[in-house]
Amino acid sequence: GAVVSQHPSWVICKSGTSVKIECRSLDFQATTMFWYRQFPKQSLMLMATSNEGSKATYEQGVEKDKFLINHASLTLSTLTVTSAHPEDSSFYICSAHLAGRTGELFFGEGSRLTVL
Amino acid sequence: DAKTTQPPSMDCAEGRAANLPCNHSTISGNEYVYWYRQIHSQGPQYIIHGLKNNETNEMASLIITEDRKSSTLILPHATLRDTAVYYCIVRPRPGNNNDMRFGAGTRLTVKP
Repeated sequence: GAVVSQHPSWVICKSGTSVKIECRSLDFQATTMFWYRQFPKQSLMLMATSNEGSKATYEQGVEKDKFLINHASLTLSTLTVTSAHPEDSSFYICSAHLAGRTGELFFGEGSRLTVL
Repeated sequence: DAKTTQPPSMDCAEGRAANLPCNHSTISGNEYVYWYRQIHSQGPQYIIHGLKNNETNEMASLIITEDRKSSTLILPHATLRDTAVYYCIVRPRPGNNNDMRFGAGTRLTVKP
């Protein structure tokens, strides 16, 4: 099946720093990618839809200036958590839609962010 | 998107069939039923999807009632590695770049 890869798998950073997470579609082109956040013992929450070559669409309550999304190519989307704080510690997951397939999304392995 | 209701948790004995129900009574005609699962600390994994006919693949079977208001995911011979949270999601027809929104899911525990 289609493969979506995230990097890094886990990251620890100091409060106030910025962290970039990459999401790559390895064997297909993805015009649209989705970013989710998952807190412990909770379900995935959609943060934003990343569109190649255009601005991302953010869900209500998600700060676009804090969670910067760039989708500069058909195989790469990045999420940058700016000025991270401990409450941003979470499991961040990306997914991509494979055009022409039957609509299922393929998910990355997730990136665990811990802000100290 | 239609809302889904799933039991919060279920247990299953190893080697037995696991039947996971999902209620989606407000599903509309153009919405498909998708099932994903998430093993601890991993990204969700696609299992199966269907519109109105029953579907089967190498992982599972999906049984959709005739009125499409509910469905059941069947893992025919559950193993310990099937322990995960299973999500039932309804969303519009494939081919659109629609997002996928997750509910609480069912935490399936397969026991030896």
